Amino acid sequence: AQKVTQAQTEISVVEKEDVTLDCVYETRDTTYYLFWYKQPPSGELVFLIRRNSFDEQNEISGRYSWNFQKSTSSFNFTITASQVVDSAVYFCALVAYSSASKIIFGSGTRLSIRP
Amino acid sequence: DARVTQTPRHKVTEMGQEVTMRCQPILGHNTVFWYRQTMMQGLELLAYFRNRAPLDDSGMPKDRFSAEMPDATLATLKIQPSEPRDSAVYFCASGILHYEQYFGPGTRLTVT
Repeated sequence: AQKVTQAQTEISVVEKEDVTLDCVYETRDTTYYLFWYKQPPSGELVFLIRRNSFDEQNEISGRYSWNFQKSTSSFNFTITASQVVDSAVYFCALVAYSSASKIIFGSGTRLSIRP
Repeated sequence: DARVTQTPRHKVTEMGQEVTMRCQPILGHNTVFWYRQTMMQGLELLAYFRNRAPLDDSGMPKDRFSAEMPDATLATLKIQPSEPRDSAVYFCASGILHYEQYFGPGTRLTVT
């Protein structure tokens, strides 16, 4: 069975602080894909990043960075110098190769950036 | 800029009425998903299709919900009869195989 755990239900930081959102996953598949999605107050779910299980290289995109560690089954997301526009609910998700595209979402972390 | 479109964006209906939600997936995507989001349950997968064939609809209440893909450009989700507990935001998403899904703006359904 697959599972995604986002233990942080809510995080609130002051603008310009760095913040890390944690994601821990479980799967028995050796081939799988991990994702992060953002859901701003407008409600639409926006795809941010995909990593596959064979690529542990960390990714940086502007102020966003992702740390994928198979040893700890974690795929953490860091926002550097946070901005008010980063306020949203962030979902971590997993697709195991054997699952025929069925995505398992974490429960989400609500991030609030205070001015 | 290709997007998933959903209609209607908002729907208010009375208990017992039929509700039909429509989705146009991104051209070329072979997998289409229906999700429901509520505060209590979070994101729930209701059903999904690959190449228009249903792969899994175990998340749907079978007695009242049905999902179809009449063609590659249209997916529908029907609720008949609707109940107040069906009030939620319904998202359609499309993708290719195991890769990322692109979500539509959602249909906010209120059943009174």
